[in-house]
Amino acid sequence: EVQLVESGGGLGKPGGSLRLSCAASGFTFSSYSLNWVRQAPGKGLEWVSSISGSGNNIYYADSVKGRFTISRDNANNSLYLQMHSLRAEDTAVYYCAKDGVVTDYFDHWGQGALVTVSS
Amino acid sequence: DILLTQSPALVSVSPGEKVTLSCRASQRVSNNVAWYHQKPGQSPRLLVYGASTRASGIPRRFSGTGSGTEFTLTISSLESEDFGVYFCQQYNDWVSVTFGGGTTVDFK
Repeated sequence: EVQLVESGGGLGKPGGSLRLSCAASGFTFSSYSLNWVRQAPGKGLEWVSSISGSGNNIYYADSVKGRFTISRDNANNSLYLQMHSLRAEDTAVYYCAKDGVVTDYFDHWGQGALVTVSS
Repeated sequence: DILLTQSPALVSVSPGEKVTLSCRASQRVSNNVAWYHQKPGQSPRLLVYGASTRASGIPRRFSGTGSGTEFTLTISSLESEDFGVYFCQQYNDWVSVTFGGGTTVDFK
């Protein structure tokens, strides 16, 4: 059974930093691209970033480019999102999501980690 | 970015009724569209990918159609667990996937 478990959410200050982690199990971790998708309170879904199975190909939404860094540790089946220069509009539930077999849609999602940016 | 417009924003239905949800893309996305269902307080669940292929474990009452810019998700006979928000997603532009704004399905 595929499992994705996020951790590291919480309260961050404007201009501050937070790091999210996602522990994965139940699939061949290094074979799949992984993603971060966020959802602001009461709003829709916004793709944030993706990383290929090898870690060599990385993409970001314009809204986070230059501030967020995605990475993965294939030895420990873990995905990360380092967030810097936080803004109020980064407040959201952040989901870790696994690519499907045919790629680029998301066939499994974690339960989400809430990030609140406030002074 | 490719804009996805979902309609209606809200639909009120009774169990057993048929529901058709629409998703329109601002440019052609081939059949690279997925649909997700999200219940309150839960993470999204994949229903359909490739515009018409049901994901593993998804009941036959869910069906997706479309290609190009117009897509629909049909629930043939709504069950109580089907209420919530439905999102479409395009992944034709795989460098920048986008989601529609969602359609809420609630009780009439």
